[in-house]
Amino acid sequence: EIVLTQSPGTLSLSPGERATLSCRASQSVSSSYLAWYHQKPGQAPRLLIYAASSRATGIPDRFSGSGSGTDFTLTISRLEPEDFAVYYCQQYGSSPLYTFGQGTKLEIK
Amino acid sequence: EVQLLESGGGLVQPGGSLRLSCAASGFTFSSFAMSWVRQAPGKGLEWVSAITPGGGSTYYADSVRGRFTISRDNSKNTLYLQMNALRAEDTAIYYCAKKYSSGSHAFDIWGQGTMVTVSS
Repeated sequence: EIVLTQSPGTLSLSPGERATLSCRASQSVSSSYLAWYHQKPGQAPRLLIYAASSRATGIPDRFSGSGSGTDFTLTISRLEPEDFAVYYCQQYGSSPLYTFGQGTKLEIK
Repeated sequence: EVQLLESGGGLVQPGGSLRLSCAASGFTFSSFAMSWVRQAPGKGLEWVSAITPGGGSTYYADSVRGRFTISRDNSKNTLYLQMNALRAEDTAIYYCAKKYSSGSHAFDIWGQGTMVTVSS
């Protein structure tokens, strides 16, 4: 089973700052199968990035993804108030079919 | 509008059963694999089960294999999750989610979730 470890657990930043979130896999993950979501309180998750670096429909270009192998990064270039949420990475594998990281909470400083 | 709407959640005693439904609209349901993902109160996301577009193949997390059954009725644009032998640790919000595309294993559309509480 591939385990995804996200860091930091909590990130405290101010609007306008740059956010860098990390997702590390216990084994190599195909870039094609790495995605990022965010989730606001009381809402369902929303897809931000798929295939490690492709933005989903309607996602602003301040969100970018990068990485390969076991290390992946989500970068938000300039934080907007609506970006403060919990962020999850997710990978597709064999067993289990999908796994999620434990999440990074991005909070307003 | 592309939409998923779950129903069927509620309070059930340990050992009991529940059937969740997810009604899809706004897209060609029969063309996409679907999954159930759950989230225990205050916790992260856990993938539960997936089914291929035609329903011929199904997949389960170890935590639910043998107790849960995923199915779909493409004529009704509806996804199901039959949950048997429920345990306290199955308490969670259950989301249905649509696979993004044939080449991507991300979930682009999520329902609003339905709460399942297993308690005596």
